[in-house]
Amino acid sequence: QSVLTQPPSASGTPGQRVAISCSGSSSNIGTNYAYWYQQVPGTAPKLLIYRNNQRPSGVPGRFSGSKSGTSASLAISGLRSEDEADYYCAAWDDRLSGYVFGTGTKVTVL
Amino acid sequence: EVQLLESGGGLVQPGGSLRLSCAASGFTFSSYAMTWVRLAPGKGLEWVSTISDSVGSTYYADSVKGRFTISRDNSKNTLYLQMNSLRAEDTAVYYCATSYPFYDREPSYWGQGTLVTVSS
Repeated sequence: QSVLTQPPSASGTPGQRVAISCSGSSSNIGTNYAYWYQQVPGTAPKLLIYRNNQRPSGVPGRFSGSKSGTSASLAISGLRSEDEADYYCAAWDDRLSGYVFGTGTKVTVL
Repeated sequence: EVQLLESGGGLVQPGGSLRLSCAASGFTFSSYAMTWVRLAPGKGLEWVSTISDSVGSTYYADSVKGRFTISRDNSKNTLYLQMNSLRAEDTAVYYCATSYPFYDREPSYWGQGTLVTVSS
């Protein structure tokens, strides 16, 4: 059972903005950095956001991350068909002494 | 180019053992933390274990603690996961990941995964 809670699904039409929330606690997001990963089914996960709001080289500027208190959020602006995937938030949890993933959100482009 | 190549997956009976390997190249392996994460059928990503860089501190999920052992051979640029007392619920694709290019514990770049099936 994950300690980070995400909505199970989100959707939008091409060009729209989609936001995904990630609710945690003081021992994970409240204290440590939030990370976001994208996984297209059948492929390896890909890092989208690190240290709350930083984009690795090669990740489009359409993806942005933010954090407030014990919650984090991923926004995808200018939604494209290739953004259809599962998205996971994650953070180190000091109480569990381990890395925890969110429940995952499936993004559908209508 | 960073490459992580997992191997060692396969079919094993409940209670059996398996050792996964992850051969790394394209970066200074010993300088970065390494992590195993799994994806079970119909489920979400689950963190399994992390080992720090050259110091070798280890961390485990409660679900595998006492059964799985993570290790690394920096001379061979290889990460391992020894899995004992395997259960049906350990069936999953196992990914290895590195924190490269960041000096954090969190996984950044991922391999393509190896499938472990625990069944009689």
